[in-house]
Amino acid sequence: GDSVTQTEGQVALSEEDFLTIHCNYSASGYPALFWYVQYPGEGPQFLFRASRDKEKGSSRGFEATYDKGTTSFHLRKASVQESDSAVYYCALGEGLSGKLTFGEGTQVTVIS
Amino acid sequence: GPKVLQIPSHQIIDMGQMVTLNCDPVSNHLYFYWYKQILGQQMEFLVNFYNGKVMEKSKLFKDQFSVERPDGSYFTLKIQPTALEDSAVYFCASSSGGQNTEVFFGKGTRLTVV
Repeated sequence: GDSVTQTEGQVALSEEDFLTIHCNYSASGYPALFWYVQYPGEGPQFLFRASRDKEKGSSRGFEATYDKGTTSFHLRKASVQESDSAVYYCALGEGLSGKLTFGEGTQVTVIS
Repeated sequence: GPKVLQIPSHQIIDMGQMVTLNCDPVSNHLYFYWYKQILGQQMEFLVNFYNGKVMEKSKLFKDQFSVERPDGSYFTLKIQPTALEDSAVYFCASSSGGQNTEVFFGKGTRLTVV
């Protein structure tokens, strides 16, 4: 079946560092790709999505580009803040129902 | 922004008993979902629901699980009987459309089966 792989399980950074989280997917067809962020005690919150090859999604300084050739949707932010500390999930949207398949999640900790 | 409300936030239940988790989805949303997250692990899809029917369910959605939304009220997940491995955080979610649409999640119900 369809799947999403996030390479980094945990990332520790200092404020103003550059963040990259790698996301690769495996799917038949042409799925939509999403990034969600989850803060402690909360459910995942939508960050942004992309639906077609080379489309860039972005929000709050985060961005990712849909790359069908490398089946990737890597998350990047140029300068992180302490408030960016959270778990980040890459997800794949399947079929007509909007079902999401999540990656394992990446715990990002930003130290001031 | 739009909010999905889940009641209760925590539930402790004896193994073998029945439990019902309640979800108040975003108004006017048409698609409803339940996800399961065991502590420290990834979110896993359980089931989705549209137009009064289950559209798709995963292998985690055991025979002991059922969902319904009677008369547009709460969207519920019922587990009967519960088992120890059902202990997890259950997230309800809803969306206005299907594919490619933003899905809104509640804060989750932490279920502990003892």
